[in-house]
Amino acid sequence: EVQLVESGGGLVQPGGSLRLSCAASGFTSSNYWMHWVRQAPGKGLVWVSRIKSYVSTISYADSVKGRFTISRDDAKNTLYLQMNSLRVEDTAVYYCARFDWPYGYDIWGQGTMVTVSS
Amino acid sequence: EIVLTQSPGTLSLSPGERATLSCRASQIVTSSYLAWYQQKPGQAPRLLISAASSRATGIPDRFSGSGSGTDFTLTISRLEPEDFAVYYCQQYGSSPYTFGQGTNLEIK
Repeated sequence: EVQLVESGGGLVQPGGSLRLSCAASGFTSSNYWMHWVRQAPGKGLVWVSRIKSYVSTISYADSVKGRFTISRDDAKNTLYLQMNSLRVEDTAVYYCARFDWPYGYDIWGQGTMVTVSS
Repeated sequence: EIVLTQSPGTLSLSPGERATLSCRASQIVTSSYLAWYQQKPGQAPRLLISAASSRATGIPDRFSGSGSGTDFTLTISRLEPEDFAVYYCQQYGSSPYTFGQGTNLEIK
């Protein structure tokens, strides 16, 4: 079965750090762009970051640039999001998603909740 | 950055009726790289339509997409009870990829 499973969310104080993981199964994630998308409680979807495989092209939303780092371990078929200097406004469900060009996000994880609060 | 504006914000209809959802872009969407997603409470989004008009695998033919340039439409020909959800459009022709704010399709 093709699936993505996120982990690593939780409660953290402002200024703290978390690392999210996204384990892929049923397909080789290195063959695809992999993305992180977040959704604040009761709000819409917001793109966060993406990484391509063989040329390691990376980009970030302006709101997280310099604080978040996306990476991947192709041997483990796993995507990561290192989040530093977390802010209250980073509170959201974080989804990893496979982008199958030119079709869109065809596979999504179940999401992991990140809460930034003192 | 391309801003996508969806209308209406909320659409109240009954099962069996036709739903028409709109997505307007602030700039031309390159190559009509516009997708539609459905999201139900507590679930991840699901891809419905890609490249403005191509149904994703397993999506019923009551869902159709149309449009080009800056104006796009998602049509659900006859609403089934399971279709009541929030719908998002997304453009992926220009970076950063952006989403609309969503249309909440609710049962009347």
